[in-house]
Amino acid sequence: GQQLNQSPQSMFIQEGEDVSMNCTSSSIFNTWLWYKQDPGEGPVLLIALYKAGELTSNGRLTAQFGITRKDSFLNISASIPSDVGIYFCAGQNSGTYKYIFGTGTRLKVLA
Amino acid sequence: KAGVTQTPRYLIKTRGQQVTLSCSPISGHRSVSWYQQTPGQGLQFLFEYFSETQRNKGNFPGRFSGRQFSNSRSEMNVSTLELGDSALYLCASSFLRWRIEQYFGPGTRLTVT
Repeated sequence: GQQLNQSPQSMFIQEGEDVSMNCTSSSIFNTWLWYKQDPGEGPVLLIALYKAGELTSNGRLTAQFGITRKDSFLNISASIPSDVGIYFCAGQNSGTYKYIFGTGTRLKVLA
Repeated sequence: KAGVTQTPRYLIKTRGQQVTLSCSPISGHRSVSWYQQTPGQGLQFLFEYFSETQRNKGNFPGRFSGRQFSNSRSEMNVSTLELGDSALYLCASSFLRWRIEQYFGPGTRLTVT
């Protein structure tokens, strides 16, 4: 099935460090969502983006809708141990209304 | 406001059996989408229902089916289970279909032996 490219695939960081991850597509999307998933649970919505160039924050998290509408970025500032998990992006296709998900970025925070 | 609920949370079935999973969306939400999540394939879209009608379908065999009731609750059914159907099945709901947040339930972990 179709998936968006997310990078990095996984990362170890020290507590207090900033984290950046991105999601790229060959298609244009009109909506980008970012989720965090803990083991055995469903993804939790972090941030929603609706306009090219839009920058939205949710606490220590900031996400941007790329101006080409083919990519999106998520930054986490001053990471803490509870940031551990898998982060997914999802883009909504304007033709089909389907959400297509990224391959995920697994974040591990070292205290 | 209560979140998306899914029942059961865990299920073990044998090859060849069938299974029905249930999803209750957030109150007021009319769109329900189903996804299959596996380590190898990630999150794959199964189908979407809006106002009791299937609006979208992913690339899954006909053994996978679903429906939505007038109260927006949804069920998905998998017939003639195969080992490869073992996965986390996630349901997500949204108020509308377009340019709107989609919220997930906790999932149903299905194991086929």
